[in-house]
Amino acid sequence: AQSVAQPEDQVNVAEGNPLTVKCTYSVSGNPYLFWYVQYPNRGLQFLLKYITGDNLVKGSYGFEAEFNKSQTSFHLKKPSALVSDSALYFCAVRDRAGNTPLVFGKGTRLSVIA
Amino acid sequence: EPEVTQTPSHQVTQMGQEVILRCVPISNHLYFYWYRQILGQKVEFLVSFYNNEISEKSEIFDDQFSVERPDGSNFTLKIRSTKLEDSAMYFCAGGRGGTDTQYFGPGTRLTVL
Repeated sequence: AQSVAQPEDQVNVAEGNPLTVKCTYSVSGNPYLFWYVQYPNRGLQFLLKYITGDNLVKGSYGFEAEFNKSQTSFHLKKPSALVSDSALYFCAVRDRAGNTPLVFGKGTRLSVIA
Repeated sequence: EPEVTQTPSHQVTQMGQEVILRCVPISNHLYFYWYRQILGQKVEFLVSFYNNEISEKSEIFDDQFSVERPDGSNFTLKIRSTKLEDSAMYFCAGGRGGTDTQYFGPGTRLTVL
C-alpha cells in the first residue's frame, strides 16, 4: 500500500529565508510524486510533480522539489520565502500510471513571517 | 486556462437527507475523481470514474454514495442519507490518465446538522 508522511504539522520561516517542507513516501513500484498547495477556503492547486528523469523538479511560484530515491523523500523547497507562500502544503503519491488515485500526506502548514 | 468547477460552494443539510454535489470537469479530461477532506485531516480518496463506470473506490465509498456523469459534462456525487460524519469538504478532480496531473476543483463544503 502507498503512504506519505509529512513529519511537520507546521513550518515557520522568515520572509526572504529559504524554506523546506518535508515529505517521505512508501510505494511498491515506481513513485509518481506531487505537491499541492491549499490556500484558505480554496481548493488544491497543483505545484509540481516528479514522474521520471531529473531528480530536481521545478514548479509554480518558484518552488522546486528534489526526488531522492534512496531516502524515499520528495522535499519541497524555495530559495526565498514570501509572506504570500503561507498556506497548507500537501505531498501526494501514486505508484503507477493510469487511473489511480492519489494518496495524500496530512499536510504541513507553512507560515512565512514578515 | 480551463478550471474544474464545483457547485454549490457550501451545502447545509439535515441528517438523513439526500445531497447531490456537482462538478464540471475540464473538457478534455477522461478520468474523474471525488476526494474528501474532513476538517483538519488529510485529503482522502473516495472514488474514481472512467468510461462511464466506477473504476476504483475506497472503503469510505459505501452504498450511501453514488456517482454519475449524466450528460457528458457534469460529474455528480450523491449521498443518499447523510450522516453527521459526512460533514467535510468534497473535492472533484480530473485528469487525462497516464502520468497526467489530477486537477482539483475548489470544493464543496458539506455541513450535516
